[in-house]
Amino acid sequence: GENVEQHPSTLSVQEGDSAVIKCTYSDSASNYFPWYKQELGKGPQLIIDIRSNVGEKKDQRIAVTLNKTAKHFSLHITETQPEDSAVYFCAAPNQAGTALIFGKGTTLSVSS
Amino acid sequence: DSGVTQTPKHLITATGQRVTLRCSPRSGDLSVYWYQQSLDQGLQFLIQYYNGEERAKGNILERFSAQQFPDLHSELNLSSLELGDSALYFCASSVDPDPNYGYTFGSGTRLTVV
Repeated sequence: GENVEQHPSTLSVQEGDSAVIKCTYSDSASNYFPWYKQELGKGPQLIIDIRSNVGEKKDQRIAVTLNKTAKHFSLHITETQPEDSAVYFCAAPNQAGTALIFGKGTTLSVSS
Repeated sequence: DSGVTQTPKHLITATGQRVTLRCSPRSGDLSVYWYQQSLDQGLQFLIQYYNGEERAKGNILERFSAQQFPDLHSELNLSSLELGDSALYFCASSVDPDPNYGYTFGSGTRLTVV
């Protein structure tokens, strides 16, 4: 938490390809890493999260991996579909443990 | 529908004015967070309330204030508005004050200051 860097800021893929978004964090005490998806005109929606006691978590076509040593975590979307087009945000708790700090977001465009 | 209700959806007002944004948390949730989303700053944490009490402050300006009422709904008051306050304002709720359990966002209020 406290500082969360997210890359890339934009990502364009063809339908069926995979997409990977990466985030790094600064607070080594952070232990919870959620990913949110925001569609146009809507609020961010939690799509998957991971805690520090596991290295990977999957839910159908999406997965999140965590490397605590390097302080980075990634979102992987396989077999992308046009409905995956949205802005994706990573987050981590702030140092005080009172709120989530968000990355600047990645705009994913999936073309058919 | 996430269960978190924000009103109004859109608000247009003039510089120098004051507005109130309202949030009703998801049923059973005691914690409310307010965030500001602008193009250049992303999602910025403003303030958190838990069960009626202020729990944490983020990058909230002195011109902004908030409160959480006994029925757990929350209001964010923005005064002496400036053009730069134009943004999306989101409310999120969770059952626990610890952000390690994640939270549920509302659909936001789009504020335009002219």
